[in-house]
Amino acid sequence: NAGVTQTPKFRVLKTGQSMTLLCAQDMNHEYMYWYRQDPGMGLRLIHYSVGEGTTAKGEVPDGYNVSRLKKQNFLLGLESAAPSQTSVYFCASSYPVTGYNTEAFFGQGTRLTVV
Amino acid sequence: KNEVEQSPQNLTAQEGEFITINCSYSVGISALHWLQQHPGGGIVSLFMLSSGKKKHGRLIATINIQEKHSSLHITASHPRDSAVYICAATLYNTDKLIFGTGTRLQVFP
Repeated sequence: NAGVTQTPKFRVLKTGQSMTLLCAQDMNHEYMYWYRQDPGMGLRLIHYSVGEGTTAKGEVPDGYNVSRLKKQNFLLGLESAAPSQTSVYFCASSYPVTGYNTEAFFGQGTRLTVV
Repeated sequence: KNEVEQSPQNLTAQEGEFITINCSYSVGISALHWLQQHPGGGIVSLFMLSSGKKKHGRLIATINIQEKHSSLHITASHPRDSAVYICAATLYNTDKLIFGTGTRLQVFP
C-alpha cells in the first residue's frame, strides 16, 4: 500500500500565484487533514474533512480552500499565494471507529516557498 | 502556554545511551501519540496510547493520565534514531490532534 501520498513534494511560487496540493490515500480512511509546519511551532490544522463531500475549517484556514470530491483525495488550494504561506504542508488521514481512536497516517510533506 | 508541551527541545546523546523525552498536556484527551520525523522526510506514527505503556523494539512509551504526562524512552540509542520526535494529543470527544513543537534528537557514534 502507498499509504498517504502528497504531490508535489516541492514548489516555489511567486506572490499572487495559485496552486493546488493533492493528497491521496488508499486506506479507505474517512477523515483527512491538512496541516502546516513552521519553525518553532507544532503542526497546525488548516482544514479537515470527515467524509466525502464535507470539509471544515481548522485552526489556520485563512488563505486556503479545500475540496473532498472523492473519498481518497483531499485537495488544498491557495488562490493567491503570500510569503506567509511559505511552510511545509502535511496531509494526514485516519479512520475513526466509534469509541476508539485510531492513529493518523501522514504524507511525506510538501515544501512550499512563496517569493 | 501551549496545550501540549515537550521537553527538552533539543537533545544530544552518545550511541548506546538511554534517552527520555517528556510530554505534558493541559487539556482533556482521549489518546496521546508519539510521532517521528526524519530530516526532509515525512512523519511516522510510533505509538498511540490512552493508558499504561507500550513497547516496540527499543522504543517505550508511557502515559500517566492523572498527571497528564507521557514519556518516550529509547534504549540503546543509535545514530539512526536521530530525528524530531513529536508528541500529539487527541482532544477528548473529537478526532482533532494538538501537537507539541517537537524534540530534536541527535545521537552521535
